[in-house]
Amino acid sequence: GAVVSQHPSWVICKSGTSVKIECRSLDFQATTMFWYRQFPKQSLMLMATSNEGSKATYEQGVEKDKFLINHASLTLSTLTVTSAHPEDSSFYICSATGQGSDTGELFFGEGSRLTVL
Amino acid sequence: LAKTTQPISMDSYEGQEVNITCSHNNIATNDYITWYQQFPSQGPRFIIQGYKTKVTNEVASLFIPADRKSSTLSLPRVSLSDTAVYYCLVGGFSGNTPLVFGKGTRLSVIA
Repeated sequence: GAVVSQHPSWVICKSGTSVKIECRSLDFQATTMFWYRQFPKQSLMLMATSNEGSKATYEQGVEKDKFLINHASLTLSTLTVTSAHPEDSSFYICSATGQGSDTGELFFGEGSRLTVL
Repeated sequence: LAKTTQPISMDSYEGQEVNITCSHNNIATNDYITWYQQFPSQGPRFIIQGYKTKVTNEVASLFIPADRKSSTLSLPRVSLSDTAVYYCLVGGFSGNTPLVFGKGTRLSVIA
């Protein structure tokens, strides 16, 4: 099956710093990628949708200036958490749909756990 | 997007068949039904997808009645490693890709 890889799988940073998380589709071209955030014992919450070559669409309540998303190629999307604070500590997961997919099956990355001290 | 409703949790003994039902009363004509499995600190993993009637693969079966307002994921002879959260999503591509996760069902398999 299609593979989506995230990096890093975990990161610890100091409050006020910025952290970049990469999401790559390894064996297919991802026209659309999604970023989710998941807090402990909770479901995945969609943060934004990014399409290659265009600006991301953010869900209500998600600050676009804080969570910068770039989808510069068909195989790479990045999420940058700017000026991170402890409340941004969470599990961030990306997913992608491939070109030609007519059923919308999502392929998920392994997730990236962010801890802000 | 169609909203889904699932039981919050279920318990089962090893070796039993587990059926998890998902309600999606507002499913649209072009929506597919997809189930994902998630282990702690991992991304969700695709289990099975269907549109109508019954779909079976090497890990599960998916039963969808004619009105498609619900679906049932069937896991045959569960083992301890099946302990996970199971999510039912409804939607399809062409501008309606399944995006919204419900609360999911936390399945605990007991020895």
